[in-house]
Amino acid sequence: AQSVTQLDSQVPVFEEAPVELRCNYSSSVSVYLFWYVQYPNQGLQLLLKYLSGSTLVKGINGFEAEFNKSQTSFHLRKPSVHISDTAEYFCAVSSMDSSYKLIFGSGTRLLVRP
Amino acid sequence: NAGVTQTPKFQVLKTGQSMTLQCAQDMNHEYMSWYRQDPGMGLRLIHYSVGAGITDQGEVPNGYNVSRSTTEDFPLRLLSAAPSQTSVYFCASSYASYNEQFFGPGTRLTVL
Repeated sequence: AQSVTQLDSQVPVFEEAPVELRCNYSSSVSVYLFWYVQYPNQGLQLLLKYLSGSTLVKGINGFEAEFNKSQTSFHLRKPSVHISDTAEYFCAVSSMDSSYKLIFGSGTRLLVRP
Repeated sequence: NAGVTQTPKFQVLKTGQSMTLQCAQDMNHEYMSWYRQDPGMGLRLIHYSVGAGITDQGEVPNGYNVSRSTTEDFPLRLLSAAPSQTSVYFCASSYASYNEQFFGPGTRLTVL
């Protein structure tokens, strides 16, 4: 069955430092990949998506992610974080393995400190 | 556009009570889905619909029913609430299951 692994449950980082949130998935076929952000007491909002084409995907708020097929990874990066980036981040995958249903990782809480 | 709306925002139930969580979207999306969010478990799919009159089970369907009589509405029914159903529930919609999903603000449900 399709699965998504976000190994880091929480990532603390100082303001203006770079950050990488890791995401690995299991799938033997073509995948669609997503990163969503959830601010406190809100719903989920799409940060970026990979459907096809360039493996480097740019999203909102200065985030980007790189699709690595050989390592089955889709890590999220930002070169310089702000206090306002404090939120929970979810990686999600859709593929034929899941009948194209969206499978979510367990989430990573990004905590930006001044 | 209002996007995806959910009511109520908060609800407290006693064990055994039933209720319906409402979800509506005004984007003419065919695909709608219900998720529950529990700490450390991400979002898990309860039920989904690929169009009016068509629904199917997700990963954790037990104890929940859905129907889709119109494109806009996709209510989730708890038949006999149990404490294990204490969770935050999100409704989402999209053009297709593999497209970007738009999420509602969520319903926080507590079952005592």
